[in-house]
Amino acid sequence: RKEVEQDPGPFNVPEGATVAFNCTYSNSASQSFFWYRQDCRKEPKLLMSVYSSGNEDGRFTAQLNRASQYISLLIRDSKLSDSATYLCVVILNTDKLIFGTGTRLQVFP
Amino acid sequence: DAGVTQSPTHLIKTRGQHVTLRCSPISGHKSVSWYQQVLGQGPQFIFQYYEKEERGRGNFPDRFSARQFPNYSSELNVNALLLGDSALYLCASSLRGVALATNEQFFGPGTRLTVL
Repeated sequence: RKEVEQDPGPFNVPEGATVAFNCTYSNSASQSFFWYRQDCRKEPKLLMSVYSSGNEDGRFTAQLNRASQYISLLIRDSKLSDSATYLCVVILNTDKLIFGTGTRLQVFP
Repeated sequence: DAGVTQSPTHLIKTRGQHVTLRCSPISGHKSVSWYQQVLGQGPQFIFQYYEKEERGRGNFPDRFSARQFPNYSSELNVNALLLGDSALYLCASSLRGVALATNEQFFGPGTRLTVL
């Protein structure tokens, strides 16, 4: 079983739609959680950290469910510029990030 | 301010050859990590260096090696290249040597390696 699993998509949504991605992780000792965004042929960039109480940054909301070992990302009012791959990332030990395979989002006009 | 820089941007090699990839971290950052990203997959951790010492190693064969220099720049070396080594190689820098929520890793643009 992979350490971090995501639905690869693609998710094709119209502008203005709300879309949600889930990610599951296998190791209950995982310490920290993030969502990264990666545009086509570019490097990953941190989108937001994920806190146990849930957190929001503008149109983006991240939530963590430790009991079920999953993380979610909700994007409201999707923009064309949101089209990208969203990578779920977990820190297990303190030396590395563990990435999921990514979920591809395509927002169309 | 300059971000993480990597060179070269693209590289084509043949099987059995050796390759050296280079990374310069953000000024003031002392930690460099290397990741391999195969097409359609997420980045996979290869190495982490902090203060010129190896702090972590992923599940990669001994053909992969790295080092960090006194100026905190780093090299990733891959020997006896295989077709499966074709990937985007990403370097990430951070202030400290631990992967914490408060110690963000900033990625460079990567080196795209093609092995023929």
